[in-house]
Amino acid sequence: GAVVSQHPSRVICKSGTSVKIECRSLDFQATTMFWYRQFPKKSLMLMATSNEGSKATYEQGVEKDKFLINHASLTLSTLTVTSAHPEDSSFYICSARDSSGTSYEQYFGPGTRLTVT
Amino acid sequence: AQSVTQPDIHITVSEGASLELRCNYSYGATPYLFWYVQSPGQGLQLLLKYFSGDTLVQGIKGFEAEFKRSQSSFNLRKPSVHWSDAAEYFCAVGAAGTALIFGKGTTLSVSS
Repeated sequence: GAVVSQHPSRVICKSGTSVKIECRSLDFQATTMFWYRQFPKKSLMLMATSNEGSKATYEQGVEKDKFLINHASLTLSTLTVTSAHPEDSSFYICSARDSSGTSYEQYFGPGTRLTVT
Repeated sequence: AQSVTQPDIHITVSEGASLELRCNYSYGATPYLFWYVQSPGQGLQLLLKYFSGDTLVQGIKGFEAEFKRSQSSFNLRKPSVHWSDAAEYFCAVGAAGTALIFGKGTTLSVSS
């Protein structure tokens, strides 16, 4: 089956630094990837839709200058949390839509746990 | 507004007993419906999905769900729960090519 990886799986960074999270589709091409955020014991909230070769579309309330998304290839999207603060600590999950197959199928990565100290 | 409601925040069932987790949705287009399970600190695992056709869908780990359009529901069921089923369960809805809208989740505890 289709596999989506995320790297790193866990990261701890100091307040004020930036951290990059990668989302890769390993065996399929994905023109569209989605980034979600999950707070402890909470549901997943969509942050942005990442489209290959174009600017990401952010959900209302998500700071685009803080959460930079780049989708430079058909298999890779990155989320960079800039000037991270403790309130950015969360579980970030990406999903990727298979461009070649049925348009409704999307696959989730295993998530990245970000802790900002 | 598009939304998913999981009315039960926390459910406890005895091992071997049957389980039903409720999910109701509000969605403008033809919905694609999903159930995911998440263990603590882990990612999402897809249990089952409904796109079209037979309204009773079978998933992994012995789970099944029934789509009832008239009730806007997609309830998850399992005839006999195992201790390893204890986890967080999320219902989600989407359309072709769109991001998913998730419910708030139901925590399942299994008592011996």
